[in-house]
Amino acid sequence: DQQVKQNSPSLSVQEGRISILNCDYTNSMFDYFLWYKKYPAEGPTFLISISSIKDKNEDGRFTVFLNKSAKHLSLHIVPSQPGDSAVYFCAARGLRGNEKLTFGTGTRLTIIP
Amino acid sequence: DTEVTQTPKHLVMGMTNKKSLKCEQHMGHRAMYWYKQKAKKPPELMFVYSYEKLSINESVPSRFSPECPNSSLLNLHLHALQPEDSALYLCASSHSDRLENIQYFGAGTRLSVL
Repeated sequence: DQQVKQNSPSLSVQEGRISILNCDYTNSMFDYFLWYKKYPAEGPTFLISISSIKDKNEDGRFTVFLNKSAKHLSLHIVPSQPGDSAVYFCAARGLRGNEKLTFGTGTRLTIIP
Repeated sequence: DTEVTQTPKHLVMGMTNKKSLKCEQHMGHRAMYWYKQKAKKPPELMFVYSYEKLSINESVPSRFSPECPNSSLLNLHLHALQPEDSALYLCASSHSDRLENIQYFGAGTRLSVL
């Protein structure tokens, strides 16, 4: 049972435009959400996170939006740059210091110059 | 410095071999993790160590044996593996096991079992 889903396996975006990556989850006990970026032959790199008490968190070109009622989060990258081409994973954690991160299946983002 | 170092980067082993994967961090993190990632799949948690004690074992077969000799080191001992255990093994660490702590990942060890 995939509790964190990224329904788009791939996404292509023109350089300079906005990239929007989506993630849905089913477990209402998830309380903290993260986005990681992964290049080939490297480990996942943390990008940005959001707690369930917020609906938006922004860090430079990256903004994460959380819609708790819809159990949906999205990552916006604007403007998109060629170096943003990578696989993006969303991940979720539960309450009370549960250390387990549950990852989505990933979306491969390609930025077209 | 947010570096987690894993060695070796690649490992090929037979089903009767015994090998170990190593992970090291010098960020003062007190929680360390092993994940397994198969091709085109998300990372899946195997083990969590918190303050050098095993706190989570996700029902991993006993042919995988974790060890945390000190707060900076995490090992994964491998014995009698099966070909289906071939995967990318990722180590991560975080400041503690609290909810808001970010996990930082190493580059992984790509394991092939023949």
